[in-house]
Amino acid sequence: GAGVSQSPSNKVTEKGKDVELRCDPISGHTALYWYRQSLGQGLEFLIYFQGNSAPDKSGLPSDRFSAERTGGSVSTLTIQRTQQEDSAVYLCASSLAGVSEQYFGPGTRLTVT
Amino acid sequence: QQQVKQSPQSLIVQKGGISIINCAYENTAFDYFPWYQQFPGKGPALLIAIRPDVSEKKEGRFTISFNKSAKQFSLHIMDSQPGDSATYFCAASKRQGAQKLVFGQGTRLTINP
Repeated sequence: GAGVSQSPSNKVTEKGKDVELRCDPISGHTALYWYRQSLGQGLEFLIYFQGNSAPDKSGLPSDRFSAERTGGSVSTLTIQRTQQEDSAVYLCASSLAGVSEQYFGPGTRLTVT
Repeated sequence: QQQVKQSPQSLIVQKGGISIINCAYENTAFDYFPWYQQFPGKGPALLIAIRPDVSEKKEGRFTISFNKSAKQFSLHIMDSQPGDSATYFCAASKRQGAQKLVFGQGTRLTINP
């Protein structure tokens, strides 16, 4: 079946602008994660959604970052007033409830100029 | 206590040789240890994973060795091939609650033909 999809694949924005990144998880996967991968770095957890439970936002770096998940499926990560240090690849992953295996999308490469 | 330390940062192996990447963790609550393979411009792909109740897991040319007492685990790639050239990430997560992955910093593996 189809894997995790993300859009756009690349986004260039000016400092101070808001951006929205989209993630479509694998059908039937109720758990959804956002991670950030900075150049040459490992992956850093941002936020986790599981079903109708309150999201785990413990990894969000500042209040400029927010995410929502509508209808238990598609998720949008929003970064307000972007800064140059926000430049990174934003990765989305999904998994079945209670199952550890996470499957990643191709990521969105964000460049803030 | 949330860190996962990975070494080496980069590794060059001759075709047909054995590639070995090591990881160490501190949090004894971790009980799921996956390895991901990432090619340039792609999202990480789940390669193989292990739980602490076994000391070794093998899938084809890929083997995870796990040492619970030392809190270390490693990935061995037997008969390494040029197509294995990629960045490899180890990770760890807890079984309970948000199963967010804590990643190592990655190892860039190059297999010389």
